[in-house]
Amino acid sequence: KTQVEQSPQSLVVRQGENCVLQCNYSVTPDNHLRWFKQDTGKGLVSLTVLVDQKDKTSNGRYSATLDKDAKHSTLHITATLLDDTATYICVVGDRGSALGRLHFGAGTQLIVIP
Amino acid sequence: DMKVTQMPRYLIKRMGENVLLECGQDMSHETMYWYRQDPGLGLQLIYISYDVDSNSEGDIPKGYRVSRKKREHFSLILDSAKTNQTSVYFCASSPRLGGDQNTLYFGAGTRLSVL
Repeated sequence: KTQVEQSPQSLVVRQGENCVLQCNYSVTPDNHLRWFKQDTGKGLVSLTVLVDQKDKTSNGRYSATLDKDAKHSTLHITATLLDDTATYICVVGDRGSALGRLHFGAGTQLIVIP
Repeated sequence: DMKVTQMPRYLIKRMGENVLLECGQDMSHETMYWYRQDPGLGLQLIYISYDVDSNSEGDIPKGYRVSRKKREHFSLILDSAKTNQTSVYFCASSPRLGGDQNTLYFGAGTRLSVL
């Protein structure tokens, strides 16, 4: 059963527009949540990590929120650029597991058009 | 320069052939991983290695084995490849067990097609 659900599955925006990506999860326990960016044909690159019960982070044009009570996270991208075209993957890390498991979402494919 | 390098980047094999995927990292990370990525699914953990000759099965180890004889090098082996092993394989490393806040560093992936 999928424990990390991302929405939308895909999204097309015009350059300069803002967008919001969603991540809902059922992973328990939930130690932290990380957003990765995956360019086409490339590996995953970490954007930000959220740790606290209700957390917010900011990394340039990327900002993220986490609500562990709701088991929900958002990734906001402001003033999108063509280079933002990529798949964005939400990953939840559990605690208490001997292997420190990471639970990956299937990703949201973002396409930024001129 | 922190880097995870995967070789080859693309590979086509026939069913029943043996496959060797190589991964190297230059960060002296203890922990290394092999994942596969299939369309519509999140990355799935095949094997995790805590250090040299200290490997554990992940969630989908069947049909795979691994080898780690040096800290910087982690291999994934498919003995007698099957068509359902067609996928993109990612290697990653981290300075300690994933599950805490240390991020994983990913290679660029190997796209394997088994015909």
